[in-house]
Amino acid sequence: SAVISQKPSRDICQRGTSLTIQCQVDSQVTMMFWYRQQPGQSLTLIATANQGSEATYESGFVIDKFPISRPNLTFSTLTVSNMSPEDSSIYLCSVESGWNTIYFGEGSWLTVV
Amino acid sequence: AQSVTQLDSQVPVFEEAPVELRCNYSSSVSVYLFWYVQYPNQGLQLLLKYLSGSTLVKGINGFEAEFNKSQTSFHLRKPSVHISDTAEYFCAVRPSGGYQKVTFGIGTKLQVIP
Repeated sequence: SAVISQKPSRDICQRGTSLTIQCQVDSQVTMMFWYRQQPGQSLTLIATANQGSEATYESGFVIDKFPISRPNLTFSTLTVSNMSPEDSSIYLCSVESGWNTIYFGEGSWLTVV
Repeated sequence: AQSVTQLDSQVPVFEEAPVELRCNYSSSVSVYLFWYVQYPNQGLQLLLKYLSGSTLVKGINGFEAEFNKSQTSFHLRKPSVHISDTAEYFCAVRPSGGYQKVTFGIGTKLQVIP
């Protein structure tokens, strides 16, 4: 399995600002994924990020709001732009490692006030 | 497209009692199945997975699950729960063959009562 580190682990942000979340993996992986978990809800896939190409966004998520970078095979960032209280969520980085299995980081707990 | 139904949003159970968390899925193709656990204020941890082979899958912390293709189910079981098993459990499904999106259920909160 992969070891995934996310920063920040928690943050409280002012509405209208932007926050960049970093995800570092201890091994090279082709596919990285960003999920959102809103309070009391399940996980929703935001986008899939492959190194060297544009991220692929799921329905309801757009690049202007959630720009993603994937500069190499062990690192990715997700920015939550122009935040509103509705963006208060856990943001989870995940990777596919081994055979057809997704592993998650500890998450970044974001509160927008 | 596939979907996952976790039939119970909350399951209270006394310590040392057995527990079953139910998961049904829908898919027109063959699938891989997963259970993840989320402890309070933590990320998701893989509990166990079914990819192929034996339909009875054993995972960490004494949990096991059985894949039942005819009933499209993947119920999670533990014969004797501990206080430390209090957490939220997510069932997930993914079509087999190449990269496919993972779909998660809404989660089941297991509350172990001392």
